[in-house]
Amino acid sequence: LAKTTQPISMDSYEGQEVNITCSHNNIATNDYITWYQQFPSQGPRFIIQGYKTKVTNEVASLFIPADRKSSTLSLPRVSLSDTAVYYCLSHGSSNTGKLIFGQGTTLQVKP
Amino acid sequence: GAVVSQHPSRVICKSGTSVKIECRSLDFQATTMFWYRQFPKQSLMLMATSNEGSKATYEQGVEKDKFLINHASLTLSTLTVTSAHPEDSSFYICSANPGWGHKNIQYFGAGTRLSVL
Repeated sequence: LAKTTQPISMDSYEGQEVNITCSHNNIATNDYITWYQQFPSQGPRFIIQGYKTKVTNEVASLFIPADRKSSTLSLPRVSLSDTAVYYCLSHGSSNTGKLIFGQGTTLQVKP
Repeated sequence: GAVVSQHPSRVICKSGTSVKIECRSLDFQATTMFWYRQFPKQSLMLMATSNEGSKATYEQGVEKDKFLINHASLTLSTLTVTSAHPEDSSFYICSANPGWGHKNIQYFGAGTRLSVL
């Protein structure tokens, strides 16, 4: 079973900021939170990873509150090309650890 | 970032034939690779963990004799769908992690669309 819960779908308009929240109530002390993006008929692509507080890169920001039971992926000023499925995963840091994907959030960006 | 190459991107075969899918880590070595299957409008389902130099570890419900995995080198894992049937038609994706410092960030291949007639 996936260890995270996300909204099934979200709609937005071009130029808006989109925030996708993920719940991981049973996150383990050593677990990281990683977000992936998947376009149709492609493999997932790494977006961002964090452990606590806030992480920002050129694509997105990730906000993680102190209790780490949830996290929010923030996409600034989305465009039509950001329409995709976004997956949130919590997992250990071992490089041989398997990832269990949940349903993900289908983001539809409208013109 | 790390690059994982998957080949072929699409394959169409007749029922009863076997199909081999290759997954290569192009700029790093991977002792472990993962194979997923994804049906339309569904999430990725982990099939197996491919271990270099040893047997693969299969998830519950995945037939190891049907989905043969070979990880003969640190840059190549192969998935062979044996005696394929229409119900095996799906999108197969592999992933790998470059190792130290990447905190299990997986890099995925582009996927292989298998259609069994």
